[in-house]
Amino acid sequence: AQSVTQLGSHVSVSEGALVLLRCNYSSSVPPYLFWYVQYPNQGLQLLLKYTTGATLVKGINGFEAEFKKSETSFHLTKPSAHMSDAAEYFCAVTPEEYSGAGSYQLTFGKGTKLSVIP
Amino acid sequence: ETGVTQSPTHLIKTRGQQVTLRCSSQSGHNTVSWYQQALGQGPQFIFQYYREEENGRGNFPPRFSGLQFPNYSSELNVNALELDDSALYLCASSLVGAVNYGYTFGSGTRLTVV
Repeated sequence: AQSVTQLGSHVSVSEGALVLLRCNYSSSVPPYLFWYVQYPNQGLQLLLKYTTGATLVKGINGFEAEFKKSETSFHLTKPSAHMSDAAEYFCAVTPEEYSGAGSYQLTFGKGTKLSVIP
Repeated sequence: ETGVTQSPTHLIKTRGQQVTLRCSSQSGHNTVSWYQQALGQGPQFIFQYYREEENGRGNFPPRFSGLQFPNYSSELNVNALELDDSALYLCASSLVGAVNYGYTFGSGTRLTVV
């Protein structure tokens, strides 16, 4: 079964510093990959996704992620952290058998809580 | 376009009771999925509904059941509540085959079982 590992349950960065949140998946078959953000007491908001095509994906709020098949990774980055980026971030993947057609479910990592220090 | 709305936002139930959570899908979406998010964990897939039928289920017992209605809204029912059922329950809607758009999540229902 597909699994997702997010290294670091809690990451702290200074305002203006680089944000790097790590995500590795287990599948030998490239899945579709997503990053979601969750603010306190709210649901999940899609930040960005990799489905096909360019491996460097740009999302909302200045975030981007690069799909690296050889490393089975999909790390999330932002060049300069802002106080409003403080939230929990979840990496998610589709099942190995998902072909891109039909419905799909997501397997999520345990999340990384990002704190931004002023 | 409307997003995904869930009701109620918070709920407290006693162990052994039954609960129904409700979800209205985003306009144009035809698939509804339910996820359970325990404290400090990522969301776990419960099940998905498409065309009013269950279309995939995660590792959850049969006391978790659901419905999807013709207008694509959905219910999650949990019978014989246990303390471990305390969690944030998230509803997500999507369009079959449109993985490019991802899921749209609601804000969730916080269920506390005492």
